Amino acid sequence: GQQVMQIPQYQHVQEGEDFTTYCNSSTTLSNIQWYKQRPGGHPVFLIQLVKSGEVKKQKRLTFQFGEAKKNSSLHITATQTTDVGTYFCGQGAQKLVFGQGTRLTINP
Amino acid sequence: DAGITQSPRHKVTETGTPVTLRCHQTENHRYMYWYRQDPGHGLRLIHYSYGVKDTDKGEVSDGYSVSRSKTEDFLLTLESATSSQTSVYFCAISVVGAPDTQYFGPGTRLTVL
Repeated sequence: GQQVMQIPQYQHVQEGEDFTTYCNSSTTLSNIQWYKQRPGGHPVFLIQLVKSGEVKKQKRLTFQFGEAKKNSSLHITATQTTDVGTYFCGQGAQKLVFGQGTRLTINP
Repeated sequence: DAGITQSPRHKVTETGTPVTLRCHQTENHRYMYWYRQDPGHGLRLIHYSYGVKDTDKGEVSDGYSVSRSKTEDFLLTLESATSSQTSVYFCAISVVGAPDTQYFGPGTRLTVL
């Protein structure tokens, strides 16, 4: 099945700094979803992107789907301590394949 | 949370013993999934179900079996637990109308000694 590589694996930032995580695939993706998992919690759906070049925003979070539909990014502007957690991308239908996740820690 | 519960939430068992984890949902969703989560590996699909008595294997199904005799319950069984099966197990469902979107249960932390 299609694999998605997610980078970086870990990211530590100062509160107020920006953060970006990337998902990359060698093949065209039908869609991409993003999930957030708080420490000790379960993954929670954030958003789904379907169209080439699509950009969606949720407050300080910006999600992009590449023009070739082979990559996606999640960017957080001015991180806050509530952003701490692991961010996963996933792709597919019914059977999702997830990236390895990016764990974000923040120094207040 | 899409009405998903998992039981038990924590379990410690010994190598060689059988273990069954239960996922229960209250909203009649058709698709259900079992994942395991390990550091450095993200979420890996073990088995999934697309209806009562309809199940299929995921990428890490060896050593696991599942059953779904009712829409609301999806059981994951480790026939003979091994230490490599120490993990956090998540159940998930897909919502009809948004089949690519999954909602996860709270997880079961399993330790095999």
